[in-house]
Amino acid sequence: NAGVMQNPRHLVRRRGQEARLRCSPMKGHSHVYWYRQLPEEGLKFMVYLQKENIIDESGMPKERFSAEFPKEGPSILRIQQVVRGDSAAYFCASSPPGTSGGAGTDTQYFGPGTRLTVL
Amino acid sequence: SQKIEQNSEALNIQEGKTATLTCNYTNYSPAYLQWYRQDPGRGPVFLLLIRENEKEKRKERLKVTFDTTLKQSLFHITASQPADSATYLCALPNQAGTALIFGKGTTLSVSS
Repeated sequence: NAGVMQNPRHLVRRRGQEARLRCSPMKGHSHVYWYRQLPEEGLKFMVYLQKENIIDESGMPKERFSAEFPKEGPSILRIQQVVRGDSAAYFCASSPPGTSGGAGTDTQYFGPGTRLTVL
Repeated sequence: SQKIEQNSEALNIQEGKTATLTCNYTNYSPAYLQWYRQDPGRGPVFLLLIRENEKEKRKERLKVTFDTTLKQSLFHITASQPADSATYLCALPNQAGTALIFGKGTTLSVSS
C-alpha cells in the first residue's frame, strides 16, 4: 500500500507566478489535510478536506490560497501570485474515515512534502 | 487558543541513555495527544497516540505518559541509539477535531 504521495518534491517559482501542489492520499483514505512548515517554525494547519468538500479552512490565508479535493484525482493546493514569504515546506496528510460522524480518524499519515522556493 | 510547548529545542545524550522529552499544553483538555518523528527533509511519521483516560503507553523502546492535571506529556526513548536522532513533535487535536496542532519540536541527538 503506497503512502501519501506529493508532487513535485521541489518547486521553484518567481514572484507573481502560480504554484500548484498535488497530494494523493493513501488508498482508502478520504480525508486530506494540508500543513505548512516555515524554517525554524512548527507545522501549521492550513485546510482539511473530504472528497469535493472543504471542511475547515481556518488556517488558510484569505487571499491567493485555495485548495480542492475533487471526486477523481489528487488534492490540489494552489497559491496564486506567490511572494517570497510563501517559501516553505508544504505537507499533505491523509486519514481513513472514522467510526462515527464524518470525521477522520485520529492518526494522520504524512507525505514527504513539497519544498516551495520563491525567487 | 490552544498552545503547545516542547521544553527544549535540542537535547543531546549518549548512546544507551534514556531520552526524556516534555510537551506542555494550555487552555483546553484534549481527548488525546500524539507524538511524531520527523527526519530532515521528510514528513512527520506517527509514533504513538495516548488518550486522556490512559496514563501510560508503550511501544518497543518508546514510552509516553499523559498527565491531564499537569497538562503535560512525557516521551521517553530507552536505550537510545544514534538512529534515534531526529526531531520529535508533540501534537494535539484542535477543539473542533478537524486538525492537529503541533509543537515546534525537540531535536534529539544521540552520540555513540
